[in-house]
Amino acid sequence: ETGVTQSPTHLIKTRGQQVTLRCSSQSGHNTVSWYQQALGQGPQFIFQYYREEENGRGNFPPRFSGLQFPNYSSELNVNALELDDSALYLCASKSSPTNYGYTFGSGTRLTVV
Amino acid sequence: KNEVEQSPQNLTAQEGEFITINCSYSVGISALHWLQQHPGGGIVSLFMLSSGKKKHGRLIATINIQEKHSSLHITASHPRDSAVYICAVSSHNNTDKLIFGTGTRLQVFP
Repeated sequence: ETGVTQSPTHLIKTRGQQVTLRCSSQSGHNTVSWYQQALGQGPQFIFQYYREEENGRGNFPPRFSGLQFPNYSSELNVNALELDDSALYLCASKSSPTNYGYTFGSGTRLTVV
Repeated sequence: KNEVEQSPQNLTAQEGEFITINCSYSVGISALHWLQQHPGGGIVSLFMLSSGKKKHGRLIATINIQEKHSSLHITASHPRDSAVYICAVSSHNNTDKLIFGTGTRLQVFP
C-alpha cells in the first residue's frame, strides 16, 4: 500500500467531547508526525512518534495525545474539545533515519460546535 | 517573528507567466521543503533540498544556505498550478520536526 491515508475526512463534534483521528502511514515508514492547521495558517507541529514512542512534542496541551502501533499506523486523540480545536489535522510519515522527505495525508477536517 | 517567512502571501498571475515565491528562515536547518496544498487540504511534497538547486518539470527550487533563503519558481504557469505553496524547514535541533511558513496562495488565470 502506498501513500498516507487519514480517516475520517470530515468530522463534526460538540464542545467537551473526545475525538480520535487515524492515520495509516506509507509502507516502510516508521515515523509519523501530526500537525494542526487552522484556517489561513501554516500547519503547527503537535507531536511525532518513532517506533511507537513519542519523540517530539509541540506546544499543545496534554489533552492532545497519540499512539503509534506496531504496524506504524497512528492515532491522534483530543479530549475535552474546545471550539479552537476546529482545524485541519494532517498526518505525515517518513522513514527514519533516512534523509528522504515526508509523505502527507489529505487531512481530517474537524469542526467543533 | 515567525521562524519561516514567505512572500508574497497572495499571488495572481496570467497563464504562461513566470512565478517566484520566496522563503526566508531564521533557524539552522538540515533541509528545506516546498509543499503544495490544494483546496481539499492534501499536501504534496514538491522538493526537499539542503543546497543548490532542484528541477522537476516546470518547477525549480533553489536554496542559499548562507543567506537562509529559498525560492520556488514556476515556469509557463498554468491554471492547474493554482494552490497554496508552503515552505517548511527541518531544524538542526530536531531533524524530523517541520516548521512551516504560512503559505503563498497562487491563482493562475487563463
